[in-house]
Amino acid sequence: ETVMTQSPAVLSVSPGERATLSCRASQSVSSNLAWYQQKPGQAPRLLIHGASTRATGIPARFSGSGSGTEFTLTISSLQSEDFAVYYCQQYSNWPPYTFGQGTKLDIK
Amino acid sequence: EVQVLESGGGLVQPGGSLRLSCVASGFTFSSYVMSWVRQAPGKGLEWVSGLSGSGGTAHYADSVKGRFTISRDNSKNTLYLQMNSLRAEDTAIYYCAKEAQWFGQLPFDYWGQGTLATVSS
Repeated sequence: ETVMTQSPAVLSVSPGERATLSCRASQSVSSNLAWYQQKPGQAPRLLIHGASTRATGIPARFSGSGSGTEFTLTISSLQSEDFAVYYCQQYSNWPPYTFGQGTKLDIK
Repeated sequence: EVQVLESGGGLVQPGGSLRLSCVASGFTFSSYVMSWVRQAPGKGLEWVSGLSGSGGTAHYADSVKGRFTISRDNSKNTLYLQMNSLRAEDTAIYYCAKEAQWFGQLPFDYWGQGTLATVSS
């Protein structure tokens, strides 16, 4: 099973600043890496697939990069609605699909 | 517009059973892999099971293998999860999620709002 590890667990950033979230895979997942955003009481929302392709309707301030085992989600100029929990997920080595444990993005 | 709606959650005793349903609309249901993903209270996401569009290929997480069965009725655009021998650790919100036309091609692009299954005496 491919273990996904996200860091940090909690990230405190001020509105308008940039946030950088990391995700590491225990083995290569090529570019088969997705990022999701989840707000309290809501289902996860797909942000990025293929490591760097924004999903439909996702603002350009969200960007993804990386391949193999190291990945990054960057949110430039944080808006109030961006404070949430973010998960990475690999869909390369299945079953099972595996998720990271999440990074909570807090308002500083 | 793609919509996914789960139902069937509730309170059940350890060792009991529960059947979850997921009705989908807005896309050609029979052409897509569908999965169940769960989230224990205050915890992260865990993929549970996935089923091909035809219903012929199913995959399960080790944590549920032999206890849960995924199925679908394409004439009703409905996905099911039969959960038997339930344990306290199965307590979670269960989400139904749409994938691509085969496993591993794309991640989950549409999710339902989830249904809560609570296993407790």
